[in-house]
Order: sequence, then C-alpha cells, then structure tokens
Amino acid sequence: DTGVSQDPRHKITKRGQNVTFRCDPISEHNRLYWYRQTLGQGPEFLTYFQNEAQLEKSRLLSDRFSAERPKGSFSTLEIQRTEQGDSAMYLCASSRWGRTSRSGANVLTFGAGSRLTVL
Amino acid sequence: SQQGEEDPQALSIQEGENATMNCSYKTSINNLQWYRQNSGRGLVHLILIRSNEREKHSGRLRVTLDTSKKSSSLLITASRAADTASYFCATVSLPPIQGAQKLVFGQGTRLTINP
Repeated sequence: DTGVSQDPRHKITKRGQNVTFRCDPISEHNRLYWYRQTLGQGPEFLTYFQNEAQLEKSRLLSDRFSAERPKGSFSTLEIQRTEQGDSAMYLCASSRWGRTSRSGANVLTFGAGSRLTVL
Repeated sequence: SQQGEEDPQALSIQEGENATMNCSYKTSINNLQWYRQNSGRGLVHLILIRSNEREKHSGRLRVTLDTSKKSSSLLITASRAADTASYFCATVSLPPIQGAQKLVFGQGTRLTINP
C-alpha cells in the first residue's frame, strides 16, 4: 500500500462546470476525511466517513458539494456549478478507528491533494 | 472554522539554530497533534501529545502542552534546510462537543531554514 492517493492532482475548470475528485485511502483505514485548504491557511474540515456512513458535514459544505463513499473504500467529492471561490487544494486523509482508538488518538494520513483552479 | 492560532505566522532562522512555534486553542481537548506540510504537498503527522501529558520528544522534536493555558509549543532542535515547511497544530476536542471526532487545524507557521 502506497498511502492515500488522490486524483487528479490538478484540475483547471471554467466557472459553472462540475468537477469530481477521487480519493483512495489506505486499505485498512475505515475513516476518510475531506479538507479544503487555501493559500497560506490551514486545512478546513469539510466532511468525514466511517466506512460508508457520512458522519459529519461542515457548514462550509454547501449544497453544491457532495461526497460519497459507496462501498466504504474510495471516496468522491463533487462540486457542482463551480465558483471562483472554490479554488483551493482539496485534501483527503484516512485513519484507522476502532476499539483501540477510543482514547481519541485519531492520527490522519494525508494524500498529496487535488488542486482546483476555477477560471 | 479554525480552532487554533499559531505564532509566529512565519519564522526564518539559520541552519543549526533551534526553531520554536506556538499554538493556542479554544476548547478542551483529547489530544493535540503537529503536522508538517512541504510546499504544495499533503500533510505529514509528526507527533501527538495527549491532554494528560505535559511534554513529549521524538528525535529532534520536543512538544509541550499546557492545558490550563490552552497552548502548545513545538521545538525543532539543530534545524536543517530540509525542515523548511509549514507546521500546523491540530486538536481533537473532548466529547460531547459536536464534531469531537475530527481534527481541527490552526493557521500554521511557515518555517524557513537558511543554509
């Protein structure tokens, strides 16, 4: 396993178009997170899954954003009708959460990110 | 929204010197973690300190935690050019705070090590 993979690494699109990002987590990890990061800022939480269940969504995630993890493995993040303000790096991360994790030590492994530029 | 604030926002030092970065946060936490991010890349986990710990070491890294002040510091000793990166603190809040399961990141400190 080579870690968390994200595709595409870069996406340039015109305003109004739809874009989809894919994340393949570490295979034994049951949790998957999406974050958004703009230049010079820290990552902002968008949503996370435990297996196929979406357990939390940020208020940042407008109705133009939708994330899925249909079989509890890879995940997709779709942005509909993109706006220039959507330009950012979209980071995916995964972690293993189980009985031994009840102490709350949720350490994330991040992918390299998908950079979106909306023209 | 961001949980923490890092200080300074940017730090430039000479190779071999020590670098200290500080992080303040707002809620009661289960643990605090530090991550590094090289330019244009994903984040890499460095070290985790639990709320009942006060200090932790890992190689050239030393992390302290003061829960009464809601603050943490990361010290990198004997810095190297390869340490040039952005450093972020991230917290896991104590339940039953909503969203306690996710990491909330600070704004980061951009560290530059000059040869």
